[in-house]
Amino acid sequence: DAGVIQSPRHEVTEMGQEVTLRCKPISGHNSLFWYRQTMMRGLELLIYFNNNVPIDDSGMPEDRFSAKMPNASFSTLKIQPSEPRDSAVYFCASSSEPATEAFFGQGTRLTVV
Amino acid sequence: DAKTTQPTSMDCAEGRAANLPCNHSTISGNEYVYWYRQIHSQGPQYIIHGLKNNETNEMASLIITEDRKSSTLILPHATLRDTAVYYCIVRVRYNFNKFYFGSGTKLNVKP
Repeated sequence: DAGVIQSPRHEVTEMGQEVTLRCKPISGHNSLFWYRQTMMRGLELLIYFNNNVPIDDSGMPEDRFSAKMPNASFSTLKIQPSEPRDSAVYFCASSSEPATEAFFGQGTRLTVV
Repeated sequence: DAKTTQPTSMDCAEGRAANLPCNHSTISGNEYVYWYRQIHSQGPQYIIHGLKNNETNEMASLIITEDRKSSTLILPHATLRDTAVYYCIVRVRYNFNKFYFGSGTKLNVKP
């Protein structure tokens, strides 16, 4: 199994630009999570999908952030417009029920200048 | 979910056992204890979890006290590759929308 695949691995963009992060979960997993990691705030859960439906998006910082999961094998996290404070590593993770551990991707390092 | 308290950092000599403590004094009866680790620049990696019995797998052992208010993750023979941040998490099983990571313990394995 290739594991959770995220793209791109690194993204540098200018303030105000739209940024789209992509995630392919492990085949057969029905839960998907987006996390953000910064030095100041550590790992924060942004949003959680179950069977392609957003269950809890209370961690999404503001309206500039949106996430979609059009099918079981693909999810996107979009930031529009991006700001320098969005600079962080964004992780995607997936899991299957009844298994309880989440498997994480390698992350996307986003830098907004 | 119950909050956890972990030391900020620990050192361990290569080849020795690493014992990482975690306090979770407000844990409730249906909450499991999970351990993850994050090696620099990589995504977190699942290690082990348990409810009240001690658990062991190929990576580590988990010792949970009888009152479940604390636990210890044991890496029996630490290697340099075990240098990472170790996170102790307590959560209700299947409740992924409350899978919170704290600040963790930075384990430094030294030659």
